[in-house]
Amino acid sequence: QVQLLESGPGLVKPSETLSLTCAIPGLSITFGYSWGWVRLPPGKGLEWIGGISQSGAASYNPTLKGRVTLSIDTARNEVSLSLSSISAADTAVYFCVRRWQFLTQDYFDSWGQGTQVTVSS
Amino acid sequence: QSVLTQPPSMSAAPGQTVTISCSGSSSNVGNNFVSWYRHLPGTAPQLIIYDNSKRPSEIPARFSGSKSASSATLGITGLQTGDEADYYCATWDSSLSSFVFGSGTQVTVL
Repeated sequence: QVQLLESGPGLVKPSETLSLTCAIPGLSITFGYSWGWVRLPPGKGLEWIGGISQSGAASYNPTLKGRVTLSIDTARNEVSLSLSSISAADTAVYFCVRRWQFLTQDYFDSWGQGTQVTVSS
Repeated sequence: QSVLTQPPSMSAAPGQTVTISCSGSSSNVGNNFVSWYRHLPGTAPQLIIYDNSKRPSEIPARFSGSKSASSATLGITGLQTGDEADYYCATWDSSLSSFVFGSGTQVTVL
């Protein structure tokens, strides 16, 4: 089972930019999978944030487009998330995910433990 | 508000069966593969069904998935206390150009 290790600041002030990193030890990030982020706001359901392929092609949830950027660092074997203009609505547990996409197959087969992000002044 | 509708909660006694529905439309469930995830708060969510009805090797056969038209179903037979969790369906939505999750179903073992 692949390990996905999220890290981030925990507490972010409104209007700032949230930066999270997902380290993937033991497996090359260019192996053949895509990667992404999913979040779980308190009292709500899972929400897809966006995904990025091994080549760096990214796609985003339209509701977040314009505020979110994903990037991939093949040298460090990491995937990063940047979310700007943060508000209380962005308070959530953020999960790093490995995504399998092939033809019409599309699912998340590995998840990190998640990192809590709280937006508060 | 999710485009995939699930019942908010379901409950059953140990050993019984629960069936969780996931209702969508032709732009999502109707024309794309559905996956299901189990999540116990404080832990990593887990893939339990992919491609509508396939199980990862570590998932027991008590879990099954099916799809008909724009609705998908997750079945859990021989319910155990360890099955208490939140369950989510998910798929790609071609109209929204977005991966979408269901609203989630909390399963309680009585």
